[in-house]
Amino acid sequence: DAGVTQSPTHLIKTRGQHVTLRCSPISGHKSVSWYQQVLGQGPQFIFQYYEKEERGRGNFPDRFSARQFPNYSSELNVNALLLGDSALYLCASSLEGQKGEKLFFGSGTQLSVL
Amino acid sequence: GENVEQHPSTLSVQEGDSAVIKCTYSDSASNYFPWYKQELGKGPQLIIDIRSNVGEKKDQRIAVTLNKTAKHFSLHITETQPEDSAVYFCAATSNPRYSTLTFGKGTMLLVSP
Repeated sequence: DAGVTQSPTHLIKTRGQHVTLRCSPISGHKSVSWYQQVLGQGPQFIFQYYEKEERGRGNFPDRFSARQFPNYSSELNVNALLLGDSALYLCASSLEGQKGEKLFFGSGTQLSVL
Repeated sequence: GENVEQHPSTLSVQEGDSAVIKCTYSDSASNYFPWYKQELGKGPQLIIDIRSNVGEKKDQRIAVTLNKTAKHFSLHITETQPEDSAVYFCAATSNPRYSTLTFGKGTMLLVSP
C-alpha cells in the first residue's frame, strides 16, 4: 500500500507569490495534518483536518489556509509568500485524528522562496 | 501549550555502541510519546512510541522509557549500525482531544564504522 504522498517534491517561488501543496493520505485514513519544518528544527503544527472540517490550527498567520476533499486528500495554500516561508512542508495522516493515534508522514514538499 | 526539550543536539558513537537520547515535556496531560527517524531528503518515519500507562517498550535494538513523574522519556538504541545515522525527533501530544504533536528540536546521530 502507498504511504502518504505529497506533490510537488520541490518548488521555487518568489516573494509575494502564492503556492498550493497537495497531499494524499494513506488509504483508509480520514485525518490529514500539515506541519512546517524549518532547517535544523522539528516539525511545527499548522493544521489538522478530519472529514473536511478543520480541527485545529497552529500559530501561523492567515496567509496559510488548507482544505480537505471528500476523498480525504488535502491542499495547503500559502499567500503572499515571504522569505521566511522557505521550509519543508510535511503532510501526515492518521485514522481519525484522535489523541494518541499514530501519525504517518510523507516525504514533504521543499519550498524555497527567493 | 506543550513544550518538548530534547538533548543532545548531536551524538557521535562508534558502531556497536549504545546511544541514548533524552526528552522532557511540560504538559502533564500528554499521554502519547512517539519517536521519529528522519533521513536526509525524507519525511519523519515513526520508529517506536509509548503511551503514558506503560513505563518501557522495546522493539529489537530500540527501546523507549517513560518517567511520568519527572516528565521525561528516552530513546535507547543498542548495537548501533551506520544505517542508524539520521536525525531523531521525540514528540508529545499537545491537544487534549486530537492527534496534534509537539516535537523536540532533534538529535543528529552519527554512527562511525
